Amino acid sequence: NAGVTQTPKFQVLKTGQSMTLQCAQDMNHNSMYWYRQDPGMGLRLIYYSASEGTTDKGEVPNGYNVSRLNKREFSLRLESAAPSQTSVYFCASSEGAPSNFGPGTRLTVT
Amino acid sequence: AQSVTQLGSHVSVSEGALVLLRCNYSSSVPPYLFWYVQYPNQGLQLLLKYTSAATLVKGINGFEAEFKKSETSFHLTKPSAHMSDAAEYFCAVSEGTGANNLFFGTGTRLTVIP
Repeated sequence: NAGVTQTPKFQVLKTGQSMTLQCAQDMNHNSMYWYRQDPGMGLRLIYYSASEGTTDKGEVPNGYNVSRLNKREFSLRLESAAPSQTSVYFCASSEGAPSNFGPGTRLTVT
Repeated sequence: AQSVTQLGSHVSVSEGALVLLRCNYSSSVPPYLFWYVQYPNQGLQLLLKYTSAATLVKGINGFEAEFKKSETSFHLTKPSAHMSDAAEYFCAVSEGTGANNLFFGTGTRLTVIP
């Protein structure tokens, strides 16, 4: 059981570039989430998916899009990266409150 | 709306001493409360959760937390700190069983002094 996996681990983008962060879970959970973590702040929810085929905005969705490709995979896309999106991004899955988090993707936008 | 306040962004304790990490919450309905731990360069792990059953909740690694409605608190404790407990700890509150409305505190970094 790999749990929750994320790729890539690190990424540097220039302002205006696009990229997709990938997340997969092998625990057969219905719910999946994307959070960002910034220094001195707790995690903030970007988007979540309560089940395959559904997605909803969280607290900070602006500048992001998501796709729930199937039950296992939930991707996060930055269409035009901005320096304010420099952060560490975590994917999580659960039945109920998040219990399994991925190792994170550290993104820097210059 | 719910919110969480963690008192003390940094806490240092000696190895073997009591660990006390403070969390106060605000919620308009009976809350669900959680503690997570984050080791360096890793994702969060769920330590324990309160979901309106017993007010004293036991979690992994010897940690426990007590829900006190009158004080709107959910402090995390461990009787004897180990070096391996050094990490960042996050308290979180939710007003439902889903996680779309889970709000995190700003975290407390625990240092354990040998």
